[in-house]
Amino acid sequence: GQQVMQIPQYQHVQEGEDFTTYCNSSTTLSNIQWYKQRPGGHPVFLIQLVKSGEVKKQKRLTFQFGEAKKNSSLHITATQTTDVGTYFCAGWGGSNYKLTFGKGTLLTVNP
Amino acid sequence: DSGVTQTPKHLITATGQRVTLRCSPRSGDLSVYWYQQSLDQGLQFLIQYYNGEERAKGNILERFSAQQFPDLHSELNLSSLELGDSALYFCASSGIERNSPLHFGNGTRLTVT
Repeated sequence: GQQVMQIPQYQHVQEGEDFTTYCNSSTTLSNIQWYKQRPGGHPVFLIQLVKSGEVKKQKRLTFQFGEAKKNSSLHITATQTTDVGTYFCAGWGGSNYKLTFGKGTLLTVNP
Repeated sequence: DSGVTQTPKHLITATGQRVTLRCSPRSGDLSVYWYQQSLDQGLQFLIQYYNGEERAKGNILERFSAQQFPDLHSELNLSSLELGDSALYFCASSGIERNSPLHFGNGTRLTVT
């Protein structure tokens, strides 16, 4: 079945450093979504990418969807303590067309 | 506030027991999803309903069952509980368009002792 791998599993940075998490799917995706889960909270939808090679920005966050629509990345510039949380990618696709979540990347930021 | 309501927030029960988790989706959403989140396990997809019908099934144990009612609220029933069932259970809902984003509830934290 469809698998979505996400790396790294954990990332600890100093405040002000950049951060990137990568997502790779075993199958071509229809689209990819990114979610953020703060500690003790629930996943919250951040953004959706649909087109091959698409790049979207939200303030310090840059999201990319690969040309083959099998990978994606989230880059945060100059991290802040408010960026702490787990970032999940989730892709729609596969033979049974379902949404598959990656295992997430837990970001911690040292002030 | 996502608009998705889950009850109860916390549940503590003993092994062998049965519990029911409840979810009310966002107004207008027809799809309901159930996920299990354990430490270091990410979000494990259990099951999806669309307008009362089962749409997709994930790694849901036979001891677990769910349904979506005509008013679109959903219940997840967990029976013969084991210690390993202790986890955070999330419900999410989405709109009628394909590929719609998921809106998650605050979750029910289940502790089996």
